[in-house]
Amino acid sequence: EAQVTQNPRYLITVTGKKLTVTCSQNMNHEYMSWYRQDPGLGLRQIYYSMNVEVTDKGDVPEGYKVSRKEKRNFPLILESPSPNQTSLYFCASSLSKSADTQYFGPGTRLTVL
Amino acid sequence: AQSVAQPEDQVNVAEGNPLTVKCTYSVSGNPYLFWYVQYPNRGLQFLLKYITGDNLVKGSYGFEAEFNKSQTSFHLKKPSALVSDSALYFCAVRDMNTGFQKLVFGTGTRLLVSP
Repeated sequence: EAQVTQNPRYLITVTGKKLTVTCSQNMNHEYMSWYRQDPGLGLRQIYYSMNVEVTDKGDVPEGYKVSRKEKRNFPLILESPSPNQTSLYFCASSLSKSADTQYFGPGTRLTVL
Repeated sequence: AQSVAQPEDQVNVAEGNPLTVKCTYSVSGNPYLFWYVQYPNRGLQFLLKYITGDNLVKGSYGFEAEFNKSQTSFHLKKPSALVSDSALYFCAVRDMNTGFQKLVFGTGTRLLVSP
């Protein structure tokens, strides 16, 4: 089944404790992206990647890192999480190198205490 | 810069009635426009998109959207709403000329269909 998977689905952590949210797609997609969803703000792009080893900042990259060492994986790294990073995070992918029709993962709800 | 506005936080409609969820956009070039739906505890799902051609775009689950260049709008419509259509709907835009890497989403409109 074609899908985007994220792990974990739910995470409660404390300020400053490094964490990684994994994202994997099995559709051989070129483009991958991370978004955060906050009430009243919709989805905002954090980082995106057009190919292996090619990543760039979205609209709200502060406090986040990403890597794209393999085509299928695009982990989101929070080196030192803070409470304002409490949010619902979505990973997405699309076939082309551009932001075309995107397939979304199920989301990761992160709470930083 | 590209942007999209969804002026209604919530739309209420009775089952069987037509529904409209509004979206207006702003881009410097020609727009790619999308509608996505989010059901509770799920990721977003693609509904339909407009790139070029016919201004009326048909998508999944009986939804359609009308592109209006003069009004810079891309409203989502369905002739007869179902209770199961209740969800959060997002409009998104991409500038074909300058913003090929970025899809900008609106703040979302919650659709509530009552029996």
